[in-house]
Amino acid sequence: AQKITQTQPGMFVQEKEAVTLDCTYDTSDPSYGLFWYKQPSSGEMIFLIYQGSYDQQNATEGRYSLNFQKARKSANLVISASQLGDSAMYFCAMRGLHGSGNTGKLIFGQGTTLQVKP
Amino acid sequence: DADVTQTPRNRITKTGKRIMLECSQTKGHDRMYWYRQDPGLGLQLIYYSFDVKDINKGEISDGYSVSRQAQAKFSLSLESAIPNQTALYFCATSDSRDRTDTQYFGPGTRLTVL
Repeated sequence: AQKITQTQPGMFVQEKEAVTLDCTYDTSDPSYGLFWYKQPSSGEMIFLIYQGSYDQQNATEGRYSLNFQKARKSANLVISASQLGDSAMYFCAMRGLHGSGNTGKLIFGQGTTLQVKP
Repeated sequence: DADVTQTPRNRITKTGKRIMLECSQTKGHDRMYWYRQDPGLGLQLIYYSFDVKDINKGEISDGYSVSRQAQAKFSLSLESAIPNQTALYFCATSDSRDRTDTQYFGPGTRLTVL
């Protein structure tokens, strides 16, 4: 079975500093994708970044980067130069990819609430 | 205009009522999904559809039904609403041609069942 674990229910970071949000996963799929989503207090789910299990390099999208350690089954999100607008809940998610029993299901972690202090 | 829209955005209903939540998208994606989110938790998959003629149950489909009226439209129905179906409901879409198959979410419908 697939499982995502986010062990940090809540975190604080000072504005302009970097912060790392932890995510570990468990899967028996040989090919999978890892995703991070942001959910601000307004409720929408915003896609941030994707990492494929066979991607050679860690993913980056602007201020977001993913520290992917396949052997340790971790996919931590790093936010650089935090801004007040980064205050939100962050979800790590995983799914199997094409040709590996893809059922369409995204497995979500419990989320981490990040608060950015001015 | 938003790529994925959901109507209504908020709804309060009573136990036993039938209610329909609608989702439409202009992204041209073939795959659509319905999830629910309970307070303080991640999302759980209710139903998904990989094309117009393909409908599949997710992990929590009991008490729900869906209809894929067109590639761009996917509706979720609660046949007889009950209070524990109070939640935030999300529609999502993805493109089978995208190697990442990233799911993009609508703004959500906040449903309260009294």
